[in-house]
Amino acid sequence: SQTIHQWPATLVQPVGSPLSLECTVEGTSNPNLYWYRQAAGRGLQLLFYSVGIGQISSEVPQNLSASRPQDRQFILSSKKLLLSDSGFYLCAWRRGFNQPQHFGDGTRLSIL
Amino acid sequence: LAKTTQPISMDSYEGQEVNITCSHNNIATNDYITWYQQFPSQGPRFIIQGYKTKVTNEVASLFIPADRKSSTLSLPRVSLSDTAVYYCLVGVGTGSQGNLIFGKGTKLSVKP
Repeated sequence: SQTIHQWPATLVQPVGSPLSLECTVEGTSNPNLYWYRQAAGRGLQLLFYSVGIGQISSEVPQNLSASRPQDRQFILSSKKLLLSDSGFYLCAWRRGFNQPQHFGDGTRLSIL
Repeated sequence: LAKTTQPISMDSYEGQEVNITCSHNNIATNDYITWYQQFPSQGPRFIIQGYKTKVTNEVASLFIPADRKSSTLSLPRVSLSDTAVYYCLVGVGTGSQGNLIFGKGTKLSVKP
């Protein structure tokens, strides 16, 4: 069966510090991968998606970037965090178009 | 761009059947309708997906009328543990990345 792992579960970072969140998927190959952010009490905002190694599409221009160095690894990064980057970050995967997504447990990011 | 409209919140009691309706007037011919459940501080969990008529699985049923401009998620005999936010997603209709736009969802509160 397929599983998705995200870490860390919680993170507290100062403003201006770098960020690296990692997501890995097991049990499948060539998944579509996604990063979402959810502000408190809000819906999910799609940040990035990837259909293959090295292929990244950005949905919202901002202080964040994503990379896919391996088939089942997706990384969310920032060089300098802003207060507005606080939120609940979720990684997801799916097999393809119109297939349901499967989400990780998320990372709660707090910027001080 | 297909947009969905759901009630912001609903209340129910244990043992009742709950129906949550989602409007998607601009649904495209090849779009599927997908429902997710989200508990606080967790990633959304796939519930059910359908294209037309009725789909049923072990946790829910999905009713889709012939014009496909709306859909209804039916949860039979809800329990306290069904208290969560429920999201309806409809594909954006083109390209390889359908079913990615999450709205604010419907917050279901089940009372004893």
